Amino acid sequence: ETGVTQSPTHLIKTRGQQVTLRCSSQSGHNTVSWYQQALGQGPQFIFQYYREEENGRGNFPPRFSGLQFPNYSSELNVNALELDDSALYLCASSQSPNREQYFGPGTRLTVT
Amino acid sequence: ELKVEQNPLFLSMQEGKNYTIYCNYSTTSDRLYWYRQDPGKSLESLFVLLSNGAVKQEGRLMASLDTKARLSTLHITAAVHDLSATYFCAVDPANTGNQFYFGTGTSLTVIP
Repeated sequence: ETGVTQSPTHLIKTRGQQVTLRCSSQSGHNTVSWYQQALGQGPQFIFQYYREEENGRGNFPPRFSGLQFPNYSSELNVNALELDDSALYLCASSQSPNREQYFGPGTRLTVT
Repeated sequence: ELKVEQNPLFLSMQEGKNYTIYCNYSTTSDRLYWYRQDPGKSLESLFVLLSNGAVKQEGRLMASLDTKARLSTLHITAAVHDLSATYFCAVDPANTGNQFYFGTGTSLTVIP
């Protein structure tokens, strides 16, 4: 059984640029949630996708957007990057909303 | 505003000693999760507590949940160096769009 995978592992972008992060869910999982973890803090919920529809959103501006594909993989897009967007971005998949979430290895984004 | 607070934030303890990490949360939730995170790594699931009074044990770690007090504990017995990591609790309240709310984290260092 393949676990949750994320790409890329590390990324460096310049302020104002756009970035796309990718996540492949664990086999049998149809729900993907994205979290932002700033250094020294706990993960903060960005949004969740269930069966290709957004199914909940945290307190993040609209420049954070996402997609889920028919195979349940997902993308997180961030436009107009700001320095404060520098963080570890974690993707988690689950069998359905409200079930235990399994986290991927994360993408470390640095905005300069 | 929903809050999930852990204490202590930092814990340094000697090998062989016992200690308890506390997780308090400010909303109704019947489910609570404990995760471990090593530096620069993703989150590893430790325990899923699904009801009031739930108690789970794995090796030197034992977690419990009191939903009436809105309190969970993670007890460490006879600590060993390999337990050094940051520990997070997370709640999954109803009516929040399936968001996980994470605590502030407890950074544990076990000294040989």
